[in-house]
Amino acid sequence: QQPVQSPQAVILREGEDAVINCSSSKALYSVHWYRQKHGEAPVFLMILLKGGEQKGHEKISASFNEKKQQSSLYLTASQLSYSGTYFCGTESANSGAGSYQLTFGKGTKLSVIP
Amino acid sequence: DGGITQSPKYLFRKEGQNVTLSCEQNLNHDAMYWYRQDPGQGLRLIYYSQIVNDFQKGDIAEGYSVSREKKESFPLTVTSAQKNPTAFYLCASSIVPGGYQPQHFGDGTRLSIL
Repeated sequence: QQPVQSPQAVILREGEDAVINCSSSKALYSVHWYRQKHGEAPVFLMILLKGGEQKGHEKISASFNEKKQQSSLYLTASQLSYSGTYFCGTESANSGAGSYQLTFGKGTKLSVIP
Repeated sequence: DGGITQSPKYLFRKEGQNVTLSCEQNLNHDAMYWYRQDPGQGLRLIYYSQIVNDFQKGDIAEGYSVSREKKESFPLTVTSAQKNPTAFYLCASSIVPGGYQPQHFGDGTRLSIL
């Protein structure tokens, strides 16, 4: 079952902040975040492991709430280069023995305008 | 530079025809994956391979086949049984299987029906 991402789309002006959420109905081992620009390959941003840790670098960070099976991606002081579609990918605890599948959400389209 | 190479970039299939999409990586990664991307649907897993000569079905394997005879190569065949093959196909790899390692993506193949 796909994780649910929200919002589906968001428009920001340069310098504004955004939060993208990813929720699963299953217990999670890990959450991945990727960004994809139109017609290009997804690019890895970060992985969060169960334990509620927060990771990030510069102005993009993320958190993982293991109890709620939720992760949030935080983009601060957005730049034009942040535009793209953001996907979360989740590895769930009951994907099956020996299963190493990531299940991706439908994506959140972020548009940053001048 | 190390990376994942997918070819061709664009592919057209006639009715009743099988076509093969190429995926080659020189990252020395053990695990490889094939995803299908449709507009607004995110990435859906077709097949994945954890090691040479081994592969498992993903969520939407019907109408597709794969092989993993070499560590570097993981070709995907779209068979005539796949009635709706028009999509963007992405190949990915990771150092080892599992959600604790990032996936690196190729630039994709866009498949259309003639």
